[in-house]
Amino acid sequence: EAGVAQSPRYKIIEKRQSVAFWCNPISGHATLYWYQQILGQGPKLLIQFQNNGVVDDSQLPKDRFSAERLKGVDSTLKIQPAKLEDSAVYLCASSPGISGNTIYFGEGSWLTVV
Amino acid sequence: DAKTTQPPSMDCAEGRAANLPCNHSTISGNEYVYWYRQIHSQGPQYIIHGLKNNETNEMASLIITEDRKSSTLILPHATLRDTAVYYCIVRGAGGTSYGKLTFGQGTILTVHP
Repeated sequence: EAGVAQSPRYKIIEKRQSVAFWCNPISGHATLYWYQQILGQGPKLLIQFQNNGVVDDSQLPKDRFSAERLKGVDSTLKIQPAKLEDSAVYLCASSPGISGNTIYFGEGSWLTVV
Repeated sequence: DAKTTQPPSMDCAEGRAANLPCNHSTISGNEYVYWYRQIHSQGPQYIIHGLKNNETNEMASLIITEDRKSSTLILPHATLRDTAVYYCIVRGAGGTSYGKLTFGQGTILTVHP
């Protein structure tokens, strides 16, 4: 079974530029998560989707971050404009449903803002 | 969410059992305990989860105390490849935290030759 796919794996941009990350969850998984992990810290949830609807985006800095999951499968996370403090690993995860199911993570997209 | 408390770091000799403790004294009756680990530059990897009974799979065993206020993850024969950050997480069972994994700082386990 294929895992959660993410791209790009690494990205370096200048502050105030924009960047987009793509995630393809495990086939059939209805729930998709985006996490941000700053170096030395545990992952922090940014947004949770159930199919193509947002369940929770309370931790998403909406002035610069946006995410969508059109058609309830792939998802993109965009940052515009980027700040230095956005340097982090962006992890996508998926699970068959909201509760009672294991959540599987992708390898992450490493962002460096200079 | 119930919060968890883990030691920041632990050491273990290769081939010996690694016992990683976790306190979750505010856990509620329908919240599960999950364990993930993260090897450098990789995404978190699921290890095991449980509600109140002890659980075992091909990777590890999970021992949950009767009052459910603490648990121990056991890696029976640690190898160098088990060196990682181990996260103990209480998964939300209701309200705004329903279904979510809220990560803490975790325990850095170092396995020595």
